[in-house]
Amino acid sequence: KQEVTQIPAALSVPEGENLVLNCSFTDSAIYNLQWFRQDPGKGLTSLLLIQSSQREQTSGRLNASLDKSSGRSTLYIAASQPGDSATYLCAVRNYGGSQGNLIFGKGTKLSVKP
Amino acid sequence: KAGVTQTPRYLIKTRGQQVTLSCSPISGHRSVSWYQQTPGQGLQFLFEYFSETQRNKGNFPGRFSGRQFSNSRSEMNVSTLELGDSALYLCASSFGQANTEAFFGQGTRLTVV
Repeated sequence: KQEVTQIPAALSVPEGENLVLNCSFTDSAIYNLQWFRQDPGKGLTSLLLIQSSQREQTSGRLNASLDKSSGRSTLYIAASQPGDSATYLCAVRNYGGSQGNLIFGKGTKLSVKP
Repeated sequence: KAGVTQTPRYLIKTRGQQVTLSCSPISGHRSVSWYQQTPGQGLQFLFEYFSETQRNKGNFPGRFSGRQFSNSRSEMNVSTLELGDSALYLCASSFGQANTEAFFGQGTRLTVV
């Protein structure tokens, strides 16, 4: 059974700081890994998708890396802004079954203070 | 290009009633998945449909059911509602291939009183 863990559960940083969010998974047999952002009471916004054959993806101030062999991914946010405050979720795409095709971590709640 | 649309956005129901939620995927997407999100359990997979067929099912009781229509729109139904069914229900759409990106709707907030 695939398990996805995100550490830390919550993080508070001052504006302008660079930060790293961590995601680990137990089964390296994945198709891809996707990072999402969720604002309170809202749906999930896709940030980055990394295929299992890739090492990293970049979009603006965001950079995500994937080390499939060690079961780890990181999301790097450069020059954080108050608007980045949200919960960040990582999900691995597995081979289906009762866990479904996207298995999520519990998320990291990020607060960026002005 | 329109995103994933879920209706209604909010629902309040009484215990014992039933409810139907709707999801319209992105045009051209054939896979629709449903998730339940609660503060304690996080995101839990309910079921996935692809071309009108249920492809995967999570570990939820039979009170939870779903279907997909020929235009890829999907509905999920919860019968005999319980207080514990209160949650945010999220729908995700994708092309359906294993390596494709998933896009989520805004969710339906269900409150059971």
